[in-house]
Amino acid sequence: NAGVTQTPKFRVLKTGQSMTLLCAQDMNHEYMYWYRQDPGMGLRLIHYSVGEGTTAKGEVPDGYNVSRLKKQNFLLGLESAAPSQTSVYFCASSLTSYSNQPQHFGDGTRLSIL
Amino acid sequence: AQSVTQLDSQVPVFEEAPVELRCNYSSSVSVYLFWYVQYPNQGLQLLLKYLSGSTLVKGINGFEAEFNKSQTSFHLRKPSVHISDTAEYFCAVSPPIIQGAQKLVFGQGTRLTINP
Repeated sequence: NAGVTQTPKFRVLKTGQSMTLLCAQDMNHEYMYWYRQDPGMGLRLIHYSVGEGTTAKGEVPDGYNVSRLKKQNFLLGLESAAPSQTSVYFCASSLTSYSNQPQHFGDGTRLSIL
Repeated sequence: AQSVTQLDSQVPVFEEAPVELRCNYSSSVSVYLFWYVQYPNQGLQLLLKYLSGSTLVKGINGFEAEFNKSQTSFHLRKPSVHISDTAEYFCAVSPPIIQGAQKLVFGQGTRLTINP
């Protein structure tokens, strides 16, 4: 029962470095999402995907890129990390587009940018 | 556009006491409403959801929430809390859609701390 798996769980970067966060789901879900969680601000949508090969911008997309080359994987990239991107990142997936379907979340990646 | 306000950032209660976590939302269209729970160092899990019908919704772990359209509220309640309920709770809304991604809008979160 893996569900949604995020790697890595923790990472420390220096300003200007790049990295990729990986999200993998084994539920054959069509839709995938990347959020960031900051204290006092809840979760905010960065990018999402409605299917393999498609991506779209969410509420706070600047400074991030994403790719969905395989249905089960959704990658979040930081090309040049900035301290403002220090956050906890969550990936989620859902089976359909209908709003009554719950999103299933991974355990998060805690990212610190020095 | 939708917005969600959770009126309390932190709520401390004693074990076996009742608790209410407050959530108000703003939207120009009808919405679906959700409560998610986040236990320490974990992702979010769905507690309950309101889509339509009865305004009192029951969820997992003994939680329930009541939708009040006139007050645009969706408060979460539990009659008797346990130490294991210590977590952060998020209220979220989403407009009903047929196609496209579900775009949840989250509140700021309420940290529930249960004291023995």
